[in-house]
Amino acid sequence: SAVISQKPSRDICQRGTSLTIQCQVDSQVTMMFWYRQQPGQSLTLIATANQGSEATYESGFVIDKFPISRPNLTFSTLTVSNMSPEDSSIYLCSVSRVAGFDEQFFGPGTRLTVL
Amino acid sequence: GNSVTQMEGPVTLSEEAFLTINCTYTATGYPSLFWYVQYPGEGLQLLLKATKADDKGSNKGFEATYRKETTSFHLEKGSVQVSDSAVYFCALGPSLGDYKLSFGAGTTVTVRA
Repeated sequence: SAVISQKPSRDICQRGTSLTIQCQVDSQVTMMFWYRQQPGQSLTLIATANQGSEATYESGFVIDKFPISRPNLTFSTLTVSNMSPEDSSIYLCSVSRVAGFDEQFFGPGTRLTVL
Repeated sequence: GNSVTQMEGPVTLSEEAFLTINCTYTATGYPSLFWYVQYPGEGLQLLLKATKADDKGSNKGFEATYRKETTSFHLEKGSVQVSDSAVYFCALGPSLGDYKLSFGAGTTVTVRA
C-alpha cells in the first residue's frame, strides 16, 4: 500500500477565490488521480496526473477551472479556481503504482465548503 | 464502456445481522474488482479485491467472489458490528489499455447496537 497525505484537510472559502490542494505520497508512484465527491454522491474522476506530462481531464472538467501540477513522482497539486458554492465537495487524491493493473490507494480527502 | 451497478441504500441493520450488498458490472475483458469502504469523515480504504473469475477476496470478515457467469461481485458479512457503519463502494478496475476505476453509487450501511 501507500501512505498518502493531503493538505488542507478542510477549508471554508469565499466565492471567487482559489484553493490549492496538495497530495504527498510516501513512495514513488506512476499515476496520480484527482476525484471529486459531492455530498452524498459517488466519486467522479477529475483528471489523471502523470509526472512529466500534461494532466488528462475527464469530460466536464477543464484545466482553467482545475489546474493540476505533478512536479515529481511523489507529489501533486489540484487548484480549484474561481470557486462557487457548487464546488463544495470532498476532493480526493489517489495513486496507482502500475498503470492499468493495480488498485488505487486514496488520501484522506480535503473537505471544501464555498460560501 | 465499463460500468458498475450497486445496490443503493441506505441499509440499516442490527448488530450480528447478515449483510449483503449487491454489485453487478458491465466490462470489456476481465478487469479486477474492488470493494472500498469510507468511514464517516474519512477517505476511501480498499476493503478487498479479486483479480480473476472465481477469486474470492476477503478482509475483516467481509467476502466477495468474482462471478463471471453472473457478472457480479456481491459483498457479504455474516455478523456485522456497529463499527462496520460506513459507505461501501464497488469498483471495476481498468480494462486493457485503460487506467481508470469505475465506481458504483455507494451504499450507506448503518449498524445499530
